[in-house]
Amino acid sequence: DTEVTQTPKHLVMGMTNKKSLKCEQHMGHRAMYWYKQKAKKPPELMFVYSYEKLSINESVPSRFSPECPNSSLLNLHLHALQPEDSALYLCASSQDRRGQGAPGANVLTFGAGSRLTVL
Amino acid sequence: AQTVTQSQPEMSVQEAETVTLSCTYDTSESDYYLFWYKQPPSRQMILVIRQEAYKQQNATENRFSVNFQKAAKSFSLKISDSQLGDAAMYFCAYRGINTDKLIFGTGTRLQVFP
Repeated sequence: DTEVTQTPKHLVMGMTNKKSLKCEQHMGHRAMYWYKQKAKKPPELMFVYSYEKLSINESVPSRFSPECPNSSLLNLHLHALQPEDSALYLCASSQDRRGQGAPGANVLTFGAGSRLTVL
Repeated sequence: AQTVTQSQPEMSVQEAETVTLSCTYDTSESDYYLFWYKQPPSRQMILVIRQEAYKQQNATENRFSVNFQKAAKSFSLKISDSQLGDAAMYFCAYRGINTDKLIFGTGTRLQVFP
């Protein structure tokens, strides 16, 4: 299995809703990422988990809450979002950089994304 | 802080021809990784090619090759024998050896004409 699977593919929510985005990989990768991508822009890093611990939080508003229940799963819990949070949310995974000599080390494998629309 | 610059917002190429996409970066680190990712309209981000900074030899992957100039901090992507399926947004990206953070350039939209 060489894929990162994201669900749902599309999500529409109101500003008072609580929803979650899910990401799963079975490649044995130990680092997992959330990126936000607006139309015609590059992805912007939000969070990184390394060995199930949050290692990077790019000053993301608290209405986005990441969770890494185990090494294969990554969630992004959404609450009280704003219309400007509408975007494509990309999940990625990679071998931990401590394995950087290995083939594929430091390469991020991305999922197909979840398109979020906040009304 | 590291930055990645792609100065060509859009490029176009005729099918079967060759095109080169430019990328420059700024860093004070001596060891790092550079990448080209492709994002077609289907939106899946796909790795095209990777270069380790400590390797002088330019990376190649079939029709894709890079021109890595470490002193000039330049990392261009050459696509040979362009195909319609190459049409996509191409992002240059940088990752330091001691960080999990992947930094993207602003992207170049490549159109391929038959």
